[in-house]
Amino acid sequence: SQQGEEDPQALSIQEGENATMNCSYKTSINNLQWYRQNSGRGLVHLILIRSNEREKHSGRLRVTLDTSKKSSSLLITASRAADTASYFCATNSNYQLIWGAGTKLIIKP
Amino acid sequence: DTEVTQTPKHLVMGMTNKKSLKCEQHMGHRAMYWYKQKAKKPPELMFVYSYEKLSINESVPSRFSPECPNSSLLNLHLHALQPEDSALYLCASSQERSDLLYGYTFGSGTRLTVV
Repeated sequence: SQQGEEDPQALSIQEGENATMNCSYKTSINNLQWYRQNSGRGLVHLILIRSNEREKHSGRLRVTLDTSKKSSSLLITASRAADTASYFCATNSNYQLIWGAGTKLIIKP
Repeated sequence: DTEVTQTPKHLVMGMTNKKSLKCEQHMGHRAMYWYKQKAKKPPELMFVYSYEKLSINESVPSRFSPECPNSSLLNLHLHALQPEDSALYLCASSQERSDLLYGYTFGSGTRLTVV
């Protein structure tokens, strides 16, 4: 499957700061999803935003979607050490998931 | 039960061995998936089962053989693998293959090493 793009590839911030990751894609979508993956483990579904939605919140997570720019961002507020992980966006297009390359987030204590 | 359970967690096999990976879910999901993931890369789709029928095979070599015995179980049979097949193998499920409202539930994966 053709990959979407995420930036940055890696992000290192201090605990308590906010982390923002971006995702761009190329085709029209049904929805966009964000997943977290701790080192060497399975992926955990964080949040899904549908193509007709512009913003969605879940706890400390805020996702925005701009279909005109074919981009999305994931904001994690008040970061914690436990947020250290890789984060992937995945677009649901034609009933298949197309994955971004991922952002590796490191939260420094 | 909101989990996808994969066994074994780790597997080391020789190139002449035959082994199987197992995946189980009891959420009533009707779509199940096998993914392969190399280090620092996103997961790559291998197979999709929808209502226990194989609906997508992403040109996977025949040394990987999927099987869906019932709506809760998914197996991946391995035979004559190559060292480059070493990877994390992930199983996932979703309510429907055409599910537009919910995300996928992933298992913790099987870390496979081919020697």
